Amino acid sequence: AQTVTQSQPEMSVQEAETVTLSCTYDTSESDYYLFWYKQPPSRQMILVIRQEAYKQQNATENRFSVNFQKAAKSFSLKISDSQLGDAAMYFCAYRSAWRGGADGLTFGKGTHLIIQP
Amino acid sequence: DSGVTQTPKHLITATGQRVTLRCSPRSGDLSVYWYQQSLDQGLQFLIQYYNGEERAKGNILERFSAQQFPDLHSELNLSSLELGDSALYFCASSPRGGAFYEQYFGPGTRLTVT
Repeated sequence: AQTVTQSQPEMSVQEAETVTLSCTYDTSESDYYLFWYKQPPSRQMILVIRQEAYKQQNATENRFSVNFQKAAKSFSLKISDSQLGDAAMYFCAYRSAWRGGADGLTFGKGTHLIIQP
Repeated sequence: DSGVTQTPKHLITATGQRVTLRCSPRSGDLSVYWYQQSLDQGLQFLIQYYNGEERAKGNILERFSAQQFPDLHSELNLSSLELGDSALYFCASSPRGGAFYEQYFGPGTRLTVT
């Protein structure tokens, strides 16, 4: 079974600074998808960024980018120019590409990101 | 707004009772997923349906069941409720079942068992 580990329960960053959230995962599969979801106080789950394991290029979405290290099974999220609206819980998630879509997401425990004004 | 709707938003019930949570997926989405978010277990996948058929099971208890109807809405039935079932229950939908497709999450149903 796959596991996802987020070792930072809480992170704090000054507004406009850059912060990196860590995620490691354990899998024996070679083809999979990795995700970062944001959960603000409203509790809505919002997809931030997605990475396909077969793509070597790191995904980017505006101020959000990932550092995907497949051999190390590491998938960190970098948030540049942090904004107050980035304050939320961030969840790293894994999904196998091998099962024909017959499974769900496996989530880490989350990192609570605090933005200091 | 993801386009996924869940009702009710909040539910308070007593131990031993049975409740039904409802989910309407985004228009055109065939696959529905249920997730539970609790303080103890975190976010965990419960079950997946695709076009009316059960597709995959995760950490779903035997006391819980689900179904997807011909109009593609889904219901999650929780019975013999225990205090530990108190959680936020999310429904998500995607156009197809494949891992490539993004899952769009609903706002969740907050269940409190007293």
